[in-house]
Amino acid sequence: GAVVSQHPSRVICKSGTSVKIECRSLDFQATTMFWYRQFPKKSLMLMATSNEGSKATYEQGVEKDKFLINHASLTLSTLTVTSAHPEDSSFYICSARDRNTNYGYTFGSGTRLTVV
Amino acid sequence: AQSVSQHNHHVILSEAASLELGCNYSYGGTVNLFWYVQYPGQHLQLLLKYFSGDPLVKGIKGFEAEFIKSKFSFNLRKPSVQWSDTAEYFCAVRGADGLTFGKGTHLIIQP
Repeated sequence: GAVVSQHPSRVICKSGTSVKIECRSLDFQATTMFWYRQFPKKSLMLMATSNEGSKATYEQGVEKDKFLINHASLTLSTLTVTSAHPEDSSFYICSARDRNTNYGYTFGSGTRLTVV
Repeated sequence: AQSVSQHNHHVILSEAASLELGCNYSYGGTVNLFWYVQYPGQHLQLLLKYFSGDPLVKGIKGFEAEFIKSKFSFNLRKPSVQWSDTAEYFCAVRGADGLTFGKGTHLIIQP
């Protein structure tokens, strides 16, 4: 079945640095990728939706310049947390849709980001 | 490592039929359990969640789920489905390894 590989699974970085999270669809082409964030004891919050070859659509309250999303190919989308702060520490997860089906979203395994 | 298994990849029902989607998880510690729904072209929405307390959890849109610890299950139910319930449903478990999703069940409701 469809697999989305998300890396890294865990990352610790210093305040002020940038961190890139990758989501790669391994056996299908992903036209749409959703990026979510989960705060402690909360459910997922949608951050942005990206479509291959176009700019991401960000949800209200999500800083575009801080959370850079690039969906340059049908198999790769990246989320870069720029100038990270401790409050950016969270669990980030992506979800991709196979372009050949009208359903079938597949999730990455998630990234635990800790900013110290 | 924790894991989540959803029994049915595709379910087709007629309107007004009763629904039960299976979800089993594998994890030895304390878990938080979730059911999410994703309508075509949209992002995930939380249907319901279980953290502790009453194992029968009621969510939005008439959905409910029952946590049976001895069976490691968290099945989703709805007494009478509607055409608008056509969507992808995901069970998720949060444990020490973070949040793990099942593969999803595509539910189609026929008028």
